[in-house]
Amino acid sequence: DQQVKQNSPSLSVQEGRISILNCDYTNSMFDYFLWYKKYPAEGPTFLISISSIKDKNEDGRFTVFLNKSAKHLSLHIVPSQPGDSAVYFCAASYPSGSARQLTFGSGTQLTVLP
Amino acid sequence: NAGVTQTPKFQVLKTGQSMTLQCAQDMNHNSMYWYRQDPGMGLRLIYYSASEGTTDKGEVPNGYNVSRLNKREFSLRLESAAPSQTSVYFCASSTFTLPRHGYEQYFGPGTRLTVT
Repeated sequence: DQQVKQNSPSLSVQEGRISILNCDYTNSMFDYFLWYKKYPAEGPTFLISISSIKDKNEDGRFTVFLNKSAKHLSLHIVPSQPGDSAVYFCAASYPSGSARQLTFGSGTQLTVLP
Repeated sequence: NAGVTQTPKFQVLKTGQSMTLQCAQDMNHNSMYWYRQDPGMGLRLIYYSASEGTTDKGEVPNGYNVSRLNKREFSLRLESAAPSQTSVYFCASSTFTLPRHGYEQYFGPGTRLTVT
């Protein structure tokens, strides 16, 4: 049972426009949500996160929105740039014994067209 | 400051062979993790180590063993490789003392393993 879902395997947008990537979760125990970006042949890199007690977090061109009642979060990239083309993973964090675990979605391939 | 390093970058094994994937971090992190990434599946946790001397199973531990050699190093061993273990393996580390960025994990570059 997937606790974190990214239902869109791919997304294409024009350079300069907004990219919106979506993520749904089922477990109410998650207390932080993170977005990772991954280029081919590299490891995922942290992009932005949000605590479950907030509904918005902004960092430059990247904004994450959290709707707890709908168990939904989204990543907005404005304006989109060709260098943003990558796979984006949504992840949810929760305490597990003496450590923390991340549960990942299956990823969305973003292509920004010049 | 290299972050998280993994060796080897690529490996081809025959069914039944064994190998160890190595991971090291230089960020003085307490926790370390091993994931596998398969197409359409995201990253799935194999094993993790909350601190030196402890290891725990993740979502998909069957067919793997781990060793937390010291605070820096965490290795993943395949005792008898199977084609189903063909995947990209990522090591990650984290500190859980401060939720500065939601307890983010830092990932290595990955090992691409093919079992024939």
